[in-house]
Amino acid sequence: EAQVTQNPRYLITVTGKKLTVTCSQNMNHEYMSWYRQDPGLGLRQIYYSMNVEVTDKGDVPEGYKVSRKEKRNFPLILESPSPNQTSLYFCASSSLIKTGETQYFGPGTRLLVL
Amino acid sequence: RKEVEQDPGPFNVPEGATVAFNCTYSNSASQSFFWYRQDCRKEPKLLMSVYSSGNEDGRFTAQLNRASQYISLLIRDSKLSDSATYLCVVIGSNDYKLSFGAGTTVTVRA
Repeated sequence: EAQVTQNPRYLITVTGKKLTVTCSQNMNHEYMSWYRQDPGLGLRQIYYSMNVEVTDKGDVPEGYKVSRKEKRNFPLILESPSPNQTSLYFCASSSLIKTGETQYFGPGTRLLVL
Repeated sequence: RKEVEQDPGPFNVPEGATVAFNCTYSNSASQSFFWYRQDCRKEPKLLMSVYSSGNEDGRFTAQLNRASQYISLLIRDSKLSDSATYLCVVIGSNDYKLSFGAGTTVTVRA
């Protein structure tokens, strides 16, 4: 089954404690991206990657890091989480040619930073 | 100004009604446009692409107005299952950044 998986699905942490949210896709997609969704603001792109070792900033990259060492994985790293990073996070992937048309989203990760 | 703006609604309509709403975008060079559907904070799913000539998919019609820089979605014969938040997505011409609107909430009542 074609899918995007994220782990963990729910996470409560404290300010400053480094965390990683994993994202994996099994569709051999070149394009992967991370979004955060906050009430009234919609989805905002954090980082995206067009292929292995190729990443670029989205609209809200501050406080986040990503890496793309393998095609299927695109982890999101919060080196020092802060309460304003409390949000719902989605990972997505697509073929590069049809970047918007066929964005497949993961189920989301709800993060609470205390 | 936000890159993509939508009327948040909610649009409360009875079953069988027609509902329509727009999404405006600020970058005149934007090339690709889409409508996604999101149910209750679950993952968004592609509803339909928006083509320059307008397009239909069953009860859903999407249109693009480049001169006024907006896209629209019309839902005919609304069903209870159409209740969701509809997200407008725009892709610029020079990059692969996706810009999402904040969403328009539609509630269809029996």
